Amino acid sequence: TQLLEQSPQFLSIQEGENLTVYCNSSSVFSSLQWYRQEPGEGPVLLVTVVTGGEVKKLKRLTFQFGDARKDSSLHITAAQPGDTGLYLCAGEDNYGQNFVFGPGTRLSVLP
Amino acid sequence: DVKVTQSSRYLVKRTGEKVFLECVQDMDHENMFWYRQDPGLGLRLIYFSYDVKMKEKGDIPEGYSVSREKKERFSLILESASTNQTSMYLCASSLELANTGELFFGEGSRLTVL
Repeated sequence: TQLLEQSPQFLSIQEGENLTVYCNSSSVFSSLQWYRQEPGEGPVLLVTVVTGGEVKKLKRLTFQFGDARKDSSLHITAAQPGDTGLYLCAGEDNYGQNFVFGPGTRLSVLP
Repeated sequence: DVKVTQSSRYLVKRTGEKVFLECVQDMDHENMFWYRQDPGLGLRLIYFSYDVKMKEKGDIPEGYSVSREKKERFSLILESASTNQTSMYLCASSLELANTGELFFGEGSRLTVL
């Protein structure tokens, strides 16, 4: 069974700070996605990474896929209250049929 | 704009009752999914469907069944609800099954079983 772990589980920071959250596994994934879920809403896709070592930027968010395709990180620069939410990583399973989700990192950015 | 709509945002049921959760998507997607979301456990796949009248078990299908009679509609059924089925249920659809396909989620249905 492929599993994804995320750390930290909870993170509370002040507006303007930088932060990094991590998604780790002992399994190799062919692609990995990051979703953000706001309270009362379903998750929304932020990015998909498919190549080992790949780095993608989405405004103040930087996503990296590990060289071995077993881990990923999300770095947020100058966090804003609008970044508050649950960040979920999801890896494509070995059968290419579904995504395995991590437990999430709950981020709170205080004004 | 893409839309996945779940029929009920909040439900309260008693142990042993039958529960019916409905999901409708307007994107003509082939694939639809039901997940449950619990704190600290992330999203766990219950069932998915890649075509009308087709269904596949996910990681935690026990105690659940599904129905897909029309392409746009995917229903989750709890024949006899139990307290350990209290959870947030999320429906999703996608154009691609995998290969970087994006999952589009509904807003969720929070079920409490007393």
